Amino acid sequence: AQKVTQAQTEISVVEKEDVTLDCVYETRDTTYYLFWYKQPPSGELVFLIRRNSFDEQNEISGRYSWNFQKSTSSFNFTITASQVVDSAVYFCALKTSGSRLTFGEGTQLTVNP
Amino acid sequence: DAGVTQSPTHLIKTRGQQVTLRCSPKSGHDTVSWYQQALGQGPQFIFQYYEEEERQRGNFPDRFSGHQFPNYSSELNVNALLLGDSALYLCASSSLAGMGLRSEQFFGPGTRLTVL
Repeated sequence: AQKVTQAQTEISVVEKEDVTLDCVYETRDTTYYLFWYKQPPSGELVFLIRRNSFDEQNEISGRYSWNFQKSTSSFNFTITASQVVDSAVYFCALKTSGSRLTFGEGTQLTVNP
Repeated sequence: DAGVTQSPTHLIKTRGQQVTLRCSPKSGHDTVSWYQQALGQGPQFIFQYYEEEERQRGNFPDRFSGHQFPNYSSELNVNALLLGDSALYLCASSSLAGMGLRSEQFFGPGTRLTVL
């Protein structure tokens, strides 16, 4: 069975601070993909980033970066210089077959001006 | 290019009733998945439709059923509603290539179902 754990329920930061969202996953499959989605108050899930299980190279895309460590089954997501518009619920998700995504419980990020 | 659309936006039903939710996939997509998101929780996979057949199913009872039409749009039906069925129901679409692990799913805005 697959499982995704986001231990941080809520995070509050002041604008321009960097913030890291933690994600730990469990799976017995050797081939899988990890995703981060953002859910603003409107409710629609917005795709942010994806990483496959064979590529542990960490990358930066604009203000977003991620740290994938297979040894610890972690896929953390960092927002640099946070902005008020970044306030949302962020979900980490795992896919091991077909279209089925297994989501974590989400982390509510609040960026205060 | 229209994204994933869902209707209705909000719905209020009473226990025991039946409900039908609708989803139109993003243009060019042929696969539709449905998720249930209870308040304060992550989305839970209900099932996926491709070529008008259910291809994958999550841990949901038979009260939850679906359909996919030749134009790729989809319906989610829930019978004998329970209070616990109150949730945001999200539809996601992807292309045939999207059956692969790498594929990105595009989500609709959801239907908020309240069961009284």
